[in-house]
Amino acid sequence: EPEVTQTPSHQVTQMGQEVILRCVPISNHLYFYWYRQILGQKVEFLVSFYNNEISEKSEIFDDQFSVERPDGSNFTLKIRSTKLEDSAMYFCASTYTGELFFGEGSRLTVL
Amino acid sequence: AQSVTQPDIHITVSEGASLELRCNYSYGATPYLFWYVQSPGQGLQLLLKYFSGDTLVQGIKGFEAEFKRSQSSFNLRKPSVHWSDAAEYFCAVGGYSGGGADGLTFGKGTHLIIQP
Repeated sequence: EPEVTQTPSHQVTQMGQEVILRCVPISNHLYFYWYRQILGQKVEFLVSFYNNEISEKSEIFDDQFSVERPDGSNFTLKIRSTKLEDSAMYFCASTYTGELFFGEGSRLTVL
Repeated sequence: AQSVTQPDIHITVSEGASLELRCNYSYGATPYLFWYVQSPGQGLQLLLKYFSGDTLVQGIKGFEAEFKRSQSSFNLRKPSVHWSDAAEYFCAVGGYSGGGADGLTFGKGTHLIIQP
């Protein structure tokens, strides 16, 4: 069964460093998403991406964040200068029909 | 704006007892509704979904949920819980509006504790 894959599964970084989280969505899906879950809290929407551009973003998704689909298969989330409060699990998701398929998540720890 | 309310932060149920987790939603168009389960440190596993049709949907692990449009609810039920059901449960709403597939909005989750 096709699935969304995310790398790395866990990344530890120093505050102020740039981080890129990678996702490979399911191949025929058209809509892509990033979500964030701070430990013990709910899953929060960050950004949606369609037709090679951002279609919607939350207030969490500030200028430190960016997304890209560089090669037609990968979908990346970049955090330019990480802060302690960026420590969270980041989930990628994709859909064709409205049912989102989630990856296993990338755990980011900022020290 | 879409929203999801899960009024119960924690629920404790004895093993073998029945379970109902509540979910109320707000969404401007025809909603797609989902229940996900998350074990500690793990990803999100889809339990079941409602898109249209029969308002009682069956999911994995013996779970079911009923969509009640008049009450804007999508409560999750299981007739007899097992210790392995202890986890965090998230209700989510999404759909199509404005010509695009909306992302999901999640509730804050209900933490299910199973007593022996």
